[in-house]
Amino acid sequence: SAVISQKPSRDICQRGTSLTIQCQVDSQVTMMFWYRQQPGQSLTLIATANQGSEATYESGFVIDKFPISRPNLTFSTLTVSNMSPEDSSIYLCSVKVVGGYNEKLFFGSGTQLSVL
Amino acid sequence: DQQVKQNSPSLSVQEGRISILNCDYTNSMFDYFLWYKKYPAEGPTFLISISSIKDKNEDGRFTVFLNKSAKHLSLHIVPSQPGDSAVYFCAASANNDMRFGAGTRLTVKP
Repeated sequence: SAVISQKPSRDICQRGTSLTIQCQVDSQVTMMFWYRQQPGQSLTLIATANQGSEATYESGFVIDKFPISRPNLTFSTLTVSNMSPEDSSIYLCSVKVVGGYNEKLFFGSGTQLSVL
Repeated sequence: DQQVKQNSPSLSVQEGRISILNCDYTNSMFDYFLWYKKYPAEGPTFLISISSIKDKNEDGRFTVFLNKSAKHLSLHIVPSQPGDSAVYFCAASANNDMRFGAGTRLTVKP
């Protein structure tokens, strides 16, 4: 298993500003991910945070809008840049733990972002 | 392109009765399926999983059924308890690509 600390837990931000979300894992993990859950929507993968190299973004997400850092195997940040009300969402970091055939994702507690 | 669908956004059940949450998927390459449970202000937590080589997996009050021909899985909770009230996400995985449904909010009434 993995214990993930994510902060802030919530924030209210002004349009045009940026927010950086931090994710700390209690053990070294190879794969870390950032998800977004918009109201009434499924969990959508934003990007895979790669240690020591640029993040891998999913279709519809770009580095300029969601820059990601992964300085080591236990920590990552996601920045939501130049925010607009459409960015209001829950942002979740997650790590993959593989045990035999089975893989599981463990999630942080999420960041509830509201953009005014 | 929503490959995993949970068509019921909400479900209300009486305590002690069975809760059945449903999930449909479109990608036949999915070979591993999971259910996650999410309480307010918390991240989703893993509940139970099933691989495509099985059609049933049971863990205490929770049972997941997989019907590959119908591309359908379901989560049964019996007996349901008020503490089971949460949002339940279905997930399907293939080649390290995991997709989630939109979730079903379960309310178990005392």
